[in-house]
Amino acid sequence: DIQMTQSPASLSASLEEIVTITCKASQDIDDYLSWYQQKPGKSPQLLIYDASSLADGVPSRFSGSRSGTQYSLKISRPQVDDSGIYYCLQSYRTPWTFGGGTKLELK
Amino acid sequence: QVQMKETGPGLVQTTQTLAVTCTVSGVSLTSYGVHWVRQAPGKGLEWMGVIWKDGNTNYNSVLKSRLRISWETSKSQFFLTMNSLQTDDTAVYYCGGTTPWYFDFWGPGTMVTVSS
Repeated sequence: DIQMTQSPASLSASLEEIVTITCKASQDIDDYLSWYQQKPGKSPQLLIYDASSLADGVPSRFSGSRSGTQYSLKISRPQVDDSGIYYCLQSYRTPWTFGGGTKLELK
Repeated sequence: QVQMKETGPGLVQTTQTLAVTCTVSGVSLTSYGVHWVRQAPGKGLEWMGVIWKDGNTNYNSVLKSRLRISWETSKSQFFLTMNSLQTDDTAVYYCGGTTPWYFDFWGPGTMVTVSS
């Protein structure tokens, strides 16, 4: 199975910062990587697909990139509403696997 | 408007079999895969398995011996069954639709508590 190592597990950021969350795949996943935001008590919502494509309706402050087998989600000048838990997902090969999640708190 | 909704038993006893239904409306899922994902309380997301538009299935390596995903396309319903339940199977169970490599749609989830 492909392992997705996500970091950090949690972070606290100010509204002026650039927030970066990373997922490292245990092997090449050829950009079959998506990012999701989950709010308490809600189902996850798609942010980024194909590693760097912005999903419909998602603010442009969210972006995705890749360096080798490491994928990153960047939030530029996050808003209070961006608090939540973020997950990456690899869909290169079954079984699909999620990263462990990053809890983002805005201060 | 696409809607997916999970329906489950709420409470199940250990060693019994779980059955959860996902009902889809507002879209034809002939172009989608329908997946099952679960989330234990306070934990992360765990991919369980998928039924593709051709009816083929793939499963989580750890769960595959206990899991079955099926469908009744005429009713736009998809089914998850998992046997030999234990207390650590307590979770919110989600169904989701993918086109085909990322989740476009999710249901709201159904909480299943496994009790001894």
